[in-house]
Amino acid sequence: QQQVKQSPQSLIVQKGGISIINCAYENTAFDYFPWYQQFPGKGPALLIAIRPDVSEKKEGRFTISFNKSAKQFSLHIMDSQPGDSATYFCAASVGQGNLIFGKGTKLSVKP
Amino acid sequence: DTAVSQTPKYLVTQMGNDKSIKCEQNLGHDTMYWYKQDSKKFLKIMFSYNNKELIINETVPNRFSPKSPDKAHLNLHINSLELGDSAVYFCASSQVTLRDTGELFFGEGSRLTVL
Repeated sequence: QQQVKQSPQSLIVQKGGISIINCAYENTAFDYFPWYQQFPGKGPALLIAIRPDVSEKKEGRFTISFNKSAKQFSLHIMDSQPGDSATYFCAASVGQGNLIFGKGTKLSVKP
Repeated sequence: DTAVSQTPKYLVTQMGNDKSIKCEQNLGHDTMYWYKQDSKKFLKIMFSYNNKELIINETVPNRFSPKSPDKAHLNLHINSLELGDSAVYFCASSQVTLRDTGELFFGEGSRLTVL
């Protein structure tokens, strides 16, 4: 019940396309859902986050869509660029509890 | 100025040896963590310290011992290294509020290879 299931494991998108990464969870007590971006040789860094009281949050080309009833949330990257090529992790936590990470999606954006 | 710095960046050692990884954060955060990232990129929390006190200790062999001399430092000591300990170890910090854990700030990782 503490798991966060992430798909796909890898994704190849053409430059300018839309990248979509999905996550699902079981624990309805989760109340914080961040996405982290990790470039090779670097630590993960927070990209965008959402709380369950909103269904969507947009920051530039990055949007989180949240479906509370389905217990799913997704990351959309519009106009994907080669510089977006990285591994993306969804995560979830309850209050002050530790973050539970999904298994990651390796995104490659082809020029 | 690096917010979360960890040393060494690379560590190659023989099975059975003991090694340490050091971490320092200059963000003034109260909480520090160690995460392990395996070859499949899976990120798993190992330990969490809040103001030098152990908060989370996930199912980790007792060969792994964290030590926090002050709230800006969290070191990881590993005894009797095994092949399966090969991974990238990330230190992170956050400012925990009444509401949530807050943003995690990660170091650049320490790649441990056990031969």
